[in-house]
Amino acid sequence: DAGVIQSPRHEVTEMGQEVTLRCKPISGHNSLFWYRQTMMRGLELLIYFNNNVPIDDSGMPEDRFSAKMPNASFSTLKIQPSEPRDSAVYFCASSHPRTPDTEAFFGQGTRLTVV
Amino acid sequence: GENVEQHPSTLSVQEGDSAVIKCTYSDSASNYFPWYKQELGKRPQLIIDIRSNVGEKKDQRIAVTLNKTAKHFSLHITETQPEDSAVYFCAARTSGSARQLTFGSGTQLTVLP
Repeated sequence: DAGVIQSPRHEVTEMGQEVTLRCKPISGHNSLFWYRQTMMRGLELLIYFNNNVPIDDSGMPEDRFSAKMPNASFSTLKIQPSEPRDSAVYFCASSHPRTPDTEAFFGQGTRLTVV
Repeated sequence: GENVEQHPSTLSVQEGDSAVIKCTYSDSASNYFPWYKQELGKRPQLIIDIRSNVGEKKDQRIAVTLNKTAKHFSLHITETQPEDSAVYFCAARTSGSARQLTFGSGTQLTVLP
């Protein structure tokens, strides 16, 4: 398995533009997490899906952020409109349902720069 | 919700010495505690984890201890090597339907040759 796949790896966009980040979890994993990492705030959980259903989106900073998981193999995180303070590395992670507590596998991340 | 605090934020040790990173958590229902290592520009990767039914776990030069009563857990790295230099994150997960990890703020470990 290739692991969790995120695209793009890097994204530079102008303030006000829409940004869409993509994630393909590991096959068979039923939990998917979106994290944001910045120097100031560390790793923050934005939203968590279980079996394609959003379970906890309390970490989504504001209405400009939205996430979807239309099927078990794909998720998107959208920012519209983007702002310079959204610049960060966004990680997607997935985990397997087999045992109650299992490792979360991270993707390589998307480095977003909003200018 | 869960709150995880991690100390220190930076740690420098001489090669061959030991390094210890400590975390505390707030939710007594948490029962899974992984540690992730993140090298510069890379993704976090699990290096060791511990569940609440054990007090200590060891994997070669890395060990983790858990004190459920005090709600703290620690990462111990012995015989440190330059390649151990990275940011280390502790995390906690509460049992039940909520399966997301709450991460500590990270520790930048530098091993000096």
